[in-house]
Amino acid sequence: DVKVTQSSRYLVKRTGEKVFLECVQDMDHENMFWYRQDPGLGLRLIYFSYDVKMKEKGDIPEGYSVSREKKERFSLILESASTNQTSMYLCASSFWTSGTYGTQYFGPGTRLTVL
Amino acid sequence: QKEVEQDPGPLSVPEGAIVSLNCTYSNSAFQYFMWYRQYSRKGPELLMYTYSSGNKEDGRFTAQVDKSSKYISLFIRDSQPSDSATYLCAMSGNNDMRFGAGTRLTVKP
Repeated sequence: DVKVTQSSRYLVKRTGEKVFLECVQDMDHENMFWYRQDPGLGLRLIYFSYDVKMKEKGDIPEGYSVSREKKERFSLILESASTNQTSMYLCASSFWTSGTYGTQYFGPGTRLTVL
Repeated sequence: QKEVEQDPGPLSVPEGAIVSLNCTYSNSAFQYFMWYRQYSRKGPELLMYTYSSGNKEDGRFTAQVDKSSKYISLFIRDSQPSDSATYLCAMSGNNDMRFGAGTRLTVKP
């Protein structure tokens, strides 16, 4: 079974803090993704990575950065957390399949609250 | 027009009913079509995926893709209270991937 794990299930931070969210997958997937999920807005892609040290901006990259130093690990960084970044953050991974992102497998999510 | 349209519900059915969940999309380049189930406060779980058009069955679940109409469906037979969750459709192709906003389903005993 594919396993995607995220470092925290719940996190509470203060405005202006630097926040690190970490994701690890054990299936040797090339692709890794960070999404945020908000009621009524669905899943929105923040960043994705198709290889070590490679990254591409998604639909809403502002206020976020990412790091992928090892194939199995993908980190999301909030440089200076703000209250509008309170959300559920989901990590996913997949194989690159025939020119598509293939089927993505998700982690359990991190519910981040910024006060 | 949104790239993927999915009725958010909520949808409430009695136990044993047949449930039909649907999405429409606009990008004809999509080739992989997926359905995810997401329980409250959990990550989405891959339920089924199909490649291109056609049907796929797995137990009580059937996924249908009609690429000519840009329409995908998920049918749940003999629905159970444990099927109560939010169901997300997703599709990918041509270096793009999109998710529906999800349909919230409640199956009442």
